[in-house]
This record gives sequence, C-alpha cells and structure tokens, in this order.
Amino acid sequence: LAKTTQPISMDSYEGQEVNITCSHNNIATNDYITWYQQFPSQGPRFIIQGYKTKVTNEVASLFIPADRKSSTLSLPRVSLSDTAVYYCLVGDSWNAGNMLTFGGGTRLMVKP
Amino acid sequence: DVKVTQSSRYLVKRTGEKVFLECVQDMDHENMFWYRQDPGLGLRLIYFSYDVKMKEKGDIPEGYSVSREKKERFSLILESASTNQTSMYLCASSSLEAGGNEQFFGPGTRLTVL
Repeated sequence: LAKTTQPISMDSYEGQEVNITCSHNNIATNDYITWYQQFPSQGPRFIIQGYKTKVTNEVASLFIPADRKSSTLSLPRVSLSDTAVYYCLVGDSWNAGNMLTFGGGTRLMVKP
Repeated sequence: DVKVTQSSRYLVKRTGEKVFLECVQDMDHENMFWYRQDPGLGLRLIYFSYDVKMKEKGDIPEGYSVSREKKERFSLILESASTNQTSMYLCASSSLEAGGNEQFFGPGTRLTVL
C-alpha cells in the first residue's frame, strides 16, 4: 500500500492559485492517484483522479510527473468556500481493498 | 447524483450497549465501506464489502462487525460499545469499476459513548 505524505496545512488568499503536493515514493504500476476534499461535519468528496501527466476537470487540475512519485493538486483562483481538508490517496482502482488509507490530509485556509 | 445516507447524524450511547449504524446507497454500487475519523488520525478503514454477504477487514476491525444482507445497505455493529469508540463514523460506496478510488461518502454519524 503506497504511503502518501502531504503538508499538514496551507494558507492562501482569495483569487490565488493553490498547489498542494503529495509525495508517494512507493507508488505501484497499477496505482491511481485520487484527491478528495472534506468540509467540516461532512464526508469527503471526490475531486479528481489521474494516472500520469495532467488531468483537468471543472474543479481542479492534477499534475503527475513522469516518475509518478509525487502529484500536485492545483486549485485555480480559490475562494473562501475552498477552505477544507484535502486528501491524497494512491492505489489500484481494481482492488477495493487497496488504497483505503486517507492519512491526515492538508488543511487549506483561504483568507479574504 | 449518488446519495449515501446514514441513519443518524448524532448518537449517544452508554458503555456496553450494542450499537447499530446503518448506511444506504441508491446507486447500485457493489462496494461499500465503513470508516472512523478522529482528530489527527485522518480516516481509518474499519470494514468494507464488495458484494452482498461479503466483507473484508480494514485497518481497525477490532470491536466492530458488519452486515450486508442487501446490496444497498451496509450496517456497522458495535457489539459492546466502549468510550474509545467515540468518533465520527463515515460510510462510503463505490462502483465495481471505480474500485476504491471514487468513493461517495455519507454525511457521517457522530457517536458518543458515555
């Protein structure tokens, strides 16, 4: 099971781009990289998933270098409502028993 | 949209009581999960199920059991509640294709054991 390492917390201001990096040095060939967002008193919410290179959706972008030992979640022009905890997970999408360790996540605080 | 519902948002029980936490999903997902979340420890997997009547232990199954008699429903059972089981409990589901990656979570049940 690939272990992930993220910063504990980050601060930003409204309108800025935020990049949160996750390290996963022992990622396996079949592993995908997935990011979740969690607001207080709610369950986590899936944001984005990727395998390699770059993935973009309406919420965020995910950058994955060629060696896949890290990944960066990019949130464009954050607002106060983006204040949340962000979790990086790594695992095999075909094995429901894998990739189920969330870790502590990164607490993002967006200031006005 | 996938909807995962949990039977209670808040629950208070006494030590030694048997506690049932219910989770229902409406998207015909094969996989269902139970986590607990504690400050500083993130989410920890208790049990998961990939089919009716099937279950697998997660990282911290001790003191818990589960039941999945129907595809849409996954129950977490605390056989004899203890104070160290005071926590936020989160249920999730995912499709067979998504595996453990794209999980949809319920709102959580905050359980207090006195």
